Amino acid sequence: DAGITQSPRHKVTETGTPVTLRCHQTENHRYMYWYRQDPGHGLRLIHYSYGVKDTDKGEVSDGYSVSRSKTEDFLLTLESATSSQTSVYFCATRTGITGNTIYFGEGSWLTVV
Amino acid sequence: QQQVKQSPQSLIVQKGGISIINCAYENTAFDYFPWYQQFPGKGPALLIAIRPDVSEKKEGRFTISFNKSAKQFSLHIMDSQPGDSATYFCAASRGGATNKLIFGTGTLLAVQP
Repeated sequence: DAGITQSPRHKVTETGTPVTLRCHQTENHRYMYWYRQDPGHGLRLIHYSYGVKDTDKGEVSDGYSVSRSKTEDFLLTLESATSSQTSVYFCATRTGITGNTIYFGEGSWLTVV
Repeated sequence: QQQVKQSPQSLIVQKGGISIINCAYENTAFDYFPWYQQFPGKGPALLIAIRPDVSEKKEGRFTISFNKSAKQFSLHIMDSQPGDSATYFCAASRGGATNKLIFGTGTLLAVQP
């Protein structure tokens, strides 16, 4: 358990509205990740961060943006939600370069109607 | 492009039996191969991991077998128990700072009592 808290845990939103998911960690891990999980696709990386204000795109980054202003917080924003972004979103963290284990949060269920 | 291919998609095993899940990868630069276990409503949790310098790693009832030449690795669960019923994901990553995990599509395991 890496002390990862995701909020909100469940959200229903309308197409075209902005949505922000928050990930908060208490372990001072340097690396943070946002994944989405969909049936038949496993977990796919959206964006990741390797330090405060240092972020980069993953394999499915279109339609998403992220920000990390503090070590402990990593925000995922859907600028204009679409139905294809209905998914379960997982935040994950890793200690540092020498630590390989990636720890996952409990997930945020997002439904876009 | 699916860099990590996982099979089967689902698996039913009798209590006490052996569960076997297979994964194949394409990128020879991958050097870290973990397996994650996920229960419904929870985030994935690291189960066991291996590096390509060994062919097998065992932790309790869980064993990873690794075949570098074939670019394949598998998870064996000995004496499978109903409590092992979960979704299992294989993953792979290359070394370096960002260590982005690429996941397989998952295997839903049901162990029948």
